Amino acid sequence: EPEVTQTPSHQVTQMGQEVILRCVPISNHLYFYWYRQILGQKVEFLVSFYNNEISEKSEIFDDQFSVERPDGSNFTLKIRSTKLEDSAMYFCASSEGYQGFFGPGTRLTVL
Amino acid sequence: AQTVTQSQPEMSVQEAETVTLSCTYDTSESDYYLFWYKQPPSRQMILVIRQEAYKQQNATENRFSVNFQKAAKSFSLKISDSQLGDAAMYFCAYLNNAGNMLTFGGGTRLMVKP
Repeated sequence: EPEVTQTPSHQVTQMGQEVILRCVPISNHLYFYWYRQILGQKVEFLVSFYNNEISEKSEIFDDQFSVERPDGSNFTLKIRSTKLEDSAMYFCASSEGYQGFFGPGTRLTVL
Repeated sequence: AQTVTQSQPEMSVQEAETVTLSCTYDTSESDYYLFWYKQPPSRQMILVIRQEAYKQQNATENRFSVNFQKAAKSFSLKISDSQLGDAAMYFCAYLNNAGNMLTFGGGTRLMVKP
């Protein structure tokens, strides 16, 4: 069964460093999403991507964040200058219409 | 903006018994989708069940069923014959009509007692 994959599973970085989180969505899906979950808290929407552009974004998704689909398979989330409060689980999801499939997540730890 | 509220931070059920998790939401849209996701300790998000707002019939997936009350903006999840493997965080989620934003509730931690 096709699935969304994410790499790395765990990323540790120093405050102020740039990180890139990678996702490979399910191949025939058209919508791509990033969510984050701070430990013990709710899952928060960051951004959705459709037809090679951002479709919707939340207040969290400020200028420090960017997304890209550099080729036909990968979907990346870049955080330019990480802060301590960016420590969270980051989930990628993809959808062919109206049912999202989530990846296993990347745990980002900012020291 | 849509909001999703889960009023029960924690619930407990005896194995083999039935439990209902509550969810309410606020929206001005008439067409949308609702979901329940299960998040075990591995933190993987697993889709449990989905409901289209235009369908009056409540969705059912094996031991999982929903009570969808559109006018009341309520979407509860019933788990029948609870099993130890059902223990997890459960999140209610709302997908807008455009399909480009999924909003989650705060979650309910379900404990299953043997």
